[in-house]
Amino acid sequence: AQTVTQSQPEMSVQEAETVTLSCTYDTSESDYYLFWYKQPPSRQMILVIRQEAYKQQNATENRFSVNFQKAAKSFSLKISDSQLGDAAMYFCAYDFFISSGSARQLTFGSGTQLTVLP
Amino acid sequence: KAGVTQTPRYLIKTRGQQVTLSCSPISGHRSVSWYQQTPGQGLQFLFEYFSETQRNKGNFPGRFSGRQFSNSRSEMNVSTLELGDSALYLCASRASGGTHNEQFFGPGTRLTVL
Repeated sequence: AQTVTQSQPEMSVQEAETVTLSCTYDTSESDYYLFWYKQPPSRQMILVIRQEAYKQQNATENRFSVNFQKAAKSFSLKISDSQLGDAAMYFCAYDFFISSGSARQLTFGSGTQLTVLP
Repeated sequence: KAGVTQTPRYLIKTRGQQVTLSCSPISGHRSVSWYQQTPGQGLQFLFEYFSETQRNKGNFPGRFSGRQFSNSRSEMNVSTLELGDSALYLCASRASGGTHNEQFFGPGTRLTVL
């Protein structure tokens, strides 16, 4: 079974600084996607960034970028120039095709609570 | 385009009762998935519906069921509620079930079982 591990339950960063959140996963599949979702106190799950496993180039979305190491099964999120609005729970998620047709499901890590200090 | 909507947002029930939660996907999205979020178990997949058919189900007891209508709206039902069913239930929709489209989440329904 696929698993996603986030080993940092909590992280903090000073405003305007850079922080990296870690994620590792376990899979025997070669075709999959990885995501970082953000869940602020409102509980709305918001997609931050996604990475296709077949792409070697790391994804970037404005201040958010990933370091995708396929062989190591590692997928970390770097937040540059941290802002107070970045404070949230961050979830790493794995998306794969399961055997039954094209059915899909997300497998989430346990989350990292990010605090941004003013 | 309106996002995913879920109703009700908050619900309080007692043990043994049943509950129905509703989810309206983004217009044009045909895939709807449900997830349960609890402090102890985190985010867990419940089931996915596509074109009114359940395509995948997570490891939950039969008390958890769902359905999808022809307009892609989905409902999930939990019968004989237990205290452990207290959770945030998230619904997510996707444009197509066959490609790597990301899932867009609704605001969730907070269910409290007393």
